[in-house]
Amino acid sequence: AQSVAQPEDQVNVAEGNPLTVKCTYSVSGNPYLFWYVQYPNRGLQFLLKYITGDNLVKGSYGFEAEFNKSQTSFHLKKPSALVSDSALYFCAVRPRSGNTPLVFGKGTRLSVIA
Amino acid sequence: KAGVTQTPRYLIKTRGQQVTLSCSPISGHRSVSWYQQTPGQGLQFLFEYFSETQRNKGNFPGRFSGRQFSNSRSEMNVSTLELGDSALYLCASSSDRVGQETQYFGPGTRLLVL
Repeated sequence: AQSVAQPEDQVNVAEGNPLTVKCTYSVSGNPYLFWYVQYPNRGLQFLLKYITGDNLVKGSYGFEAEFNKSQTSFHLKKPSALVSDSALYFCAVRPRSGNTPLVFGKGTRLSVIA
Repeated sequence: KAGVTQTPRYLIKTRGQQVTLSCSPISGHRSVSWYQQTPGQGLQFLFEYFSETQRNKGNFPGRFSGRQFSNSRSEMNVSTLELGDSALYLCASSSDRVGQETQYFGPGTRLLVL
């Protein structure tokens, strides 16, 4: 069965510092990998995805994610955090074969402190 | 392009009632998925529709049902509401073309069952 783990419920970082939100997955084959962000009382916003190619994927708002096949990880990163980055972040995975639904992690709440 | 829209945005019902939620996908998208989001369970997949056919179904009781119309708009219905059905219900659409697997989410419908 597919699964996604976001080991940290909460990540706190000072404004201007780099941030990392961790994600590991368990799925057969090479999956599609996604990151979404959710602001209060809003739906999920797509940030970036890994399909194939370069292991470092760049997305919206200065975010990037690094795909590591051997560690089955897809950590979200940003070189310099902003207070406005404070939100709930979700990692999601979908196998390439078959029409199977997205599987989401539990989410990580990011707080950026001024 | 207009994004995914969901109506209504907020809903208050009492136990035993039934409710219908509506989702209009991004123009050209034929796949619509529904998710339930609660603080305790996170994001849980309800079902996915493609070209008016249910393609995937999550692990929810039969009280939860859905359908998709020829214009790709989708509705989900919950009958005999229970207190535990209080949640944010999210709809997402995707184009289903290879390389365009990203799901785009609507703002959600927040349902409160009293």
